[in-house]
Amino acid sequence: SQTIHQWPATLVQPVGSPLSLECTVEGTSNPNLYWYRQAAGRGLQLLFYSVGIGQISSEVPQNLSASRPQDRQFILSSKKLLLSDSGFYLCAWRATGYSDGYTFGSGTRLTVV
Amino acid sequence: QKEVEQNSGPLSVPEGAIASLNCTYSDRGSQSFFWYRQYSGKSPELIMFIYSNGDKEDGRFTAQLNKASQYVSLLIRDSQPSDSATYLCAVTTGGFKTIFGAGTRLFVKA
Repeated sequence: SQTIHQWPATLVQPVGSPLSLECTVEGTSNPNLYWYRQAAGRGLQLLFYSVGIGQISSEVPQNLSASRPQDRQFILSSKKLLLSDSGFYLCAWRATGYSDGYTFGSGTRLTVV
Repeated sequence: QKEVEQNSGPLSVPEGAIASLNCTYSDRGSQSFFWYRQYSGKSPELIMFIYSNGDKEDGRFTAQLNKASQYVSLLIRDSQPSDSATYLCAVTTGGFKTIFGAGTRLFVKA
């Protein structure tokens, strides 16, 4: 069965500091991978998705970036965090069938202070 | 802009009652419809999928889809306190993108 690992679970970072969140998937090859952000009381906002190594699509222009250095590894980064980057960050994978929903990682709660 | 709308709640129901959660969407080209449950501080988990008009039942959960009216609903029968969570409606038009609603908070009173 497929599992998705995401770390760290909680992060408190000062404004202007860098960020690196990592996500790995087990039990599947060439997964479609996603980074979502959930602000308090808001819906899930798609940040990036990737259909393969080195292939990144950005949905929201901002100071975040993503990379996929390996088939089952997806990394979310920032060079300088803003207060508005606070939120719950979720990595997810999804197959491409019309009936396939997302499997989410456990999430990272990021607070920028 | 494609939207998915949900009443934020909280929706409060007594234990054993039927909880009814509703969702409307704006894109008539939407193809697949999902319901996710999210406990406080946790990540969402998929609980229901529906793509054709009508009802789909899975245990105590029933998803209902009406494409003409552009709404999808989730019924939870015999609600339990453990059903207390936020329920997210999600709509996929095709391809790689899904739009999520902001969620409805459900509270089941023991």
